[in-house]
Amino acid sequence: QSVLTQPPSVSAAPGQRVTIPCSGISSNIGNNHVAWYQKLPGTAPKLLIFESDKRPSGIPDRFSGSKSGTSATLGITGLQTGDEADYYCGTWDSSLSAGVFGGGTKLTVL
Amino acid sequence: QVQLVQSAGEVKKPGASVKVSCKAFGYNLNTYGITWVRQAPGQGLEWMAWISTYNGDTKFAHKFQDRVSMTTETSTRTVYMELRSLRSDDTAVYYCGREFCDGDRCYLPDYWGQGTLVTVSS
Repeated sequence: QSVLTQPPSVSAAPGQRVTIPCSGISSNIGNNHVAWYQKLPGTAPKLLIFESDKRPSGIPDRFSGSKSGTSATLGITGLQTGDEADYYCGTWDSSLSAGVFGGGTKLTVL
Repeated sequence: QVQLVQSAGEVKKPGASVKVSCKAFGYNLNTYGITWVRQAPGQGLEWMAWISTYNGDTKFAHKFQDRVSMTTETSTRTVYMELRSLRSDDTAVYYCGREFCDGDRCYLPDYWGQGTLVTVSS
């Protein structure tokens, strides 16, 4: 059971937009920044969003992040087949004094 | 550029210990620490622990605080993570990541190592 809650899967057609929600509580998302990662099988996680809404250099602006209260959202526009992957949200939990992740969401581009 | 290079995979028997290394390149060790995250087969990411490569401060997820230790060898820019009393459910890919912590709060990793598969089997 993960500390942060994500849907197990989402799907959309190529070219469409998809959002992936991540739900927490005040001690984690409510008071800390959120990071989003793309995870392909056999490869290390790739940072897509840091500090809730910032993109590292090299990450296309098709990827966006937002946070409101105790929830965060990853948005992906102009979906491509290469976006098929598992996506994870993560943040710091000030009560646990540890990092926490969501259970991951598998994105299927139909 | 920033790069983290991990040691090769290992096979261990239950009850044994494993030591995984993570060699850091391309940034100031005094600014960022190193975090360990694992992914068991078919499971999600699990944050384990963090060490400051500046002063040795550590942070642990509760379930790992009694079985994980970490050290930094500054001369070689290498961090070691040892996991003791291995069980079959410790079989996972272990990743190191560069993570910035500001006081009591951390921001999760930005750069990652390639991963080290640790298999625990009798």
